Amino acid sequence: SAVISQKPSRDICQRGTSLTIQCQVDSQVTMMFWYRQQPGQSLTLIATANQGSEATYESGFVIDKFPISRPNLTFSTLTVSNMSPEDSSIYLCSVLGGTEAFFGQGTRLTVV
Amino acid sequence: DAKTTQPNSMESNEEEPVHLPCNHSTISGTDYIHWYRQLPSQGPEYVIHGLTSNVNNRMASLAIAEDRKSSTLILHRATLRDAAVYYCTTGYNFNKFYFGSGTKLNVKP
Repeated sequence: SAVISQKPSRDICQRGTSLTIQCQVDSQVTMMFWYRQQPGQSLTLIATANQGSEATYESGFVIDKFPISRPNLTFSTLTVSNMSPEDSSIYLCSVLGGTEAFFGQGTRLTVV
Repeated sequence: DAKTTQPNSMESNEEEPVHLPCNHSTISGTDYIHWYRQLPSQGPEYVIHGLTSNVNNRMASLAIAEDRKSSTLILHRATLRDAAVYYCTTGYNFNKFYFGSGTKLNVKP
């Protein structure tokens, strides 16, 4: 199993600013995943973060808007840049442990 | 990855069995079927997965159709704590998942 800690758990931000979300895992993992969950919606995969290489983004998501860092095998950050109210969502970090995925509790972001 | 279709919502009485259906008609032969659930204000959690044969674990059972174009998650005795959104997803790689819209399960006392 894997225990994932995300910080912050929630934040309210002004439009035009940026927020960096941290994800810490209690074990070393090769891949980490970032998801977005808009209000009342399902989860949408943003990108896959591998240690030592650039993140791989899904269609509709770009590095300039969602830069990701992966400095080591237990940590990753997702930045939401130049925020607008449409970025108000829950952002979740996920890792794979064996045949199942583990998710953090999420970061609830509100952009005003 | 194959697209999945689930009913938007279902309702069950407490301590009764619940059958949550999922259609995945475009699934390929090597795709596994995974189920996750998301309790209110929490991240998703693993429920069960399978390839061809029916699967049982402490949380639930997974019944997979012979043609693998559909599956059913079975909660044998629903409790109030089982009220959640249940997601069915398919994929070959046990890494990234593409979630469908899910089924919101309401359990009545």
